[in-house]
Amino acid sequence: EDQVTQSPEALRLQEGESSSLNCSYTVSGLRGLFWYRQDPGKGPEFLFTLYSAGEEKEKERLKATLTKKESFLHITAPKPEDSATYLCAVQVYFNKFYFGSGTKLNVKP
Amino acid sequence: ETGVTQTPRHLVMGMTNKKSLKCEQHLGHNAMYWYKQSAKKPLELMFVYNFKEQTENNSVPSRFSPECPNSSHLFLHLHTLQPEDSALYLCASSQVGTGIGTDTQYFGPGTRLTVL
Repeated sequence: EDQVTQSPEALRLQEGESSSLNCSYTVSGLRGLFWYRQDPGKGPEFLFTLYSAGEEKEKERLKATLTKKESFLHITAPKPEDSATYLCAVQVYFNKFYFGSGTKLNVKP
Repeated sequence: ETGVTQTPRHLVMGMTNKKSLKCEQHLGHNAMYWYKQSAKKPLELMFVYNFKEQTENNSVPSRFSPECPNSSHLFLHLHTLQPEDSALYLCASSQVGTGIGTDTQYFGPGTRLTVL
């Protein structure tokens, strides 16, 4: 059964304290892996797409990496405005996407 | 308007009401999606349309009825809902293709639905 699991469920960091979020997946065939940021009461905002093991993408304080079984979202020196829920999604064929439950990140000043 | 828009943003309805959610995408995409987001649960894919044709229906109850008149507009018609249907309903669009960089879904802000 196709499955996406994110950990931890919630993460509290001090401003400047770097950490990583994990997205592990068990799917029949990976077409792409997506990271989104979601603020309360809003729709998910696209961050990154990764297509093959070893691929990395960066944007400001965020860096996403991909292996054959999992993806990490590394947050370097986070700021309070990075507080949000981060969602991971896996695409298994054209229109089939599976989402994880998300990691709620809270960055304290 | 840019991106993906959804109306209304908030909706409260009784179990006997009939209402519709509307989604419009301004990205030139050829696929549109409805998702349900409940607290502490993963996004649940409900319906998918490619070029106005429905290609996915993930065992969604018949009280939810989608309509896609063209590639830019998507509706979700609601009738005789249950309180457990209360959730955030998200619309998304993507450009389905074979090249790298396609298929990324872009989401609207969602409609917060409360069923009394």
